[in-house]
Amino acid sequence: KQEVTQIPAALSVPEGENLVLNCSFTDSAIYNLQWFRQDPGKGLTSLLLIQSSQREQTSGRLNASLDKSSGRSTLYIAASQPGDSATYLCAVRDAGGTSYGKLTFGQGTILTVHP
Amino acid sequence: NAGVTQTPKFQVLKTGQSMTLQCAQDMNHNSMYWYRQDPGMGLRLIYYSASEGTTDKGEVPNGYNVSRLNKREFSLRLESAAPSQTSVYFCASRTPPGTGGSYEQYFGPGTRLTVT
Repeated sequence: KQEVTQIPAALSVPEGENLVLNCSFTDSAIYNLQWFRQDPGKGLTSLLLIQSSQREQTSGRLNASLDKSSGRSTLYIAASQPGDSATYLCAVRDAGGTSYGKLTFGQGTILTVHP
Repeated sequence: NAGVTQTPKFQVLKTGQSMTLQCAQDMNHNSMYWYRQDPGMGLRLIYYSASEGTTDKGEVPNGYNVSRLNKREFSLRLESAAPSQTSVYFCASRTPPGTGGSYEQYFGPGTRLTVT
């Protein structure tokens, strides 16, 4: 059974810092990995999706990498801003015909960027 | 283009009452999903629908039923609500594979349900 772990559970940094959020998964047979952002009381917003054949994806100040063989992904946020404060969730879609696109989520990292 | 919409946003039920959570997407996606989110448990899949007319159980289906009314709409029904079903419920839909599609899931804003 796939399990996804995110470290750290919470992170507090001053504005302007570069930071890294970590995600690990137990079964490397994945189809893709998706990073989401969730603001308090809100839904999930997709940030980046990395296919299993890719090593990284970039969007603005965000860069996500994937090392499928070691079961790890990192989300790098450059020059953090208070508006980046949110919970960041990592989710994997297993390869395999019966999963119907089911995502397995990590518990999330709560990020606080203070001015 | 509204994406994935859910109604209601908030609901309070008494134990034993029933209700239906509504979800609709306007992205012409075939696959749709219902998740629940609980503190310390993360998001867990309740039911999914790979296409119109088909539904299947996810990890935590007990106490729920679903209906895929048409390609756009996928509803979740609680027949006899229990306090253990207090949660935030999210509906999602997924892009198809192939050119321009990458199995990416898009989520609705959620329904916050309290069962007393």
